[in-house]
Amino acid sequence: GDSVTQKQGQVTLSEDDFLFINCTYSTTTYPTLLWYVQYLGQGPQLLLKVTTANNKGISRGFEATYDKGTTSFHLQKASVQESDSAVYFCALPGTGGYKVVFGSGTRLLVSP
Amino acid sequence: DPKIIQKPKYLVAVTGSEKILICEQYLGHNAMYWYRQSAKKPLEFMFSYSYQKLMDNQTASSRFQPQSSKKNHLDLQITALKPDDSATYFCASSQGWGANSDYTFGSGTRLLVI
Repeated sequence: GDSVTQKQGQVTLSEDDFLFINCTYSTTTYPTLLWYVQYLGQGPQLLLKVTTANNKGISRGFEATYDKGTTSFHLQKASVQESDSAVYFCALPGTGGYKVVFGSGTRLLVSP
Repeated sequence: DPKIIQKPKYLVAVTGSEKILICEQYLGHNAMYWYRQSAKKPLEFMFSYSYQKLMDNQTASSRFQPQSSKKNHLDLQITALKPDDSATYFCASSQGWGANSDYTFGSGTRLLVI
């Protein structure tokens, strides 16, 4: 079935560091790919999405690029802030379209 | 004002008991979902509903039963509770399905079964 894999359980950075969160996907189609962010005590919220038509999504300084060759969808940010501390999930629509499948999440801790 | 209301925010239950988790959305969305989040399985899909009709079900146990009395309302009944059911349960909604559906999540119900 469709799946996404995040191998990094946690990333620890200092403010103004560069962020890179790894995500790979497995699917038989070329779906829209998604990144969600979950702040402490809240539900996840959509950060950005990318389709095969535009290949790159940008939101709030974060960007992700759709790479069919390596089946990857990594999340990047040039300079993180303490307020970016959260859990980041990559995701894609599941088979049948009636659900979204989430990766295991990467916890980002940014120290001032 | 919260657009998706989940009640209660916290819930402690005794093993073997039954509880109902409430979810209402005021976004005018036509699809609603339940997800479960625990240390073992982050953000695990459980059910999806559209206009009170079940669309997808990934929950193996019949102890989990969604209930939809109105199209903007999707409760989750859990019977014969077990300690393994301890998790945060998130309700979500979207307008449409699949690639073009942006999910809005509630703030969750944190369930502890003792």
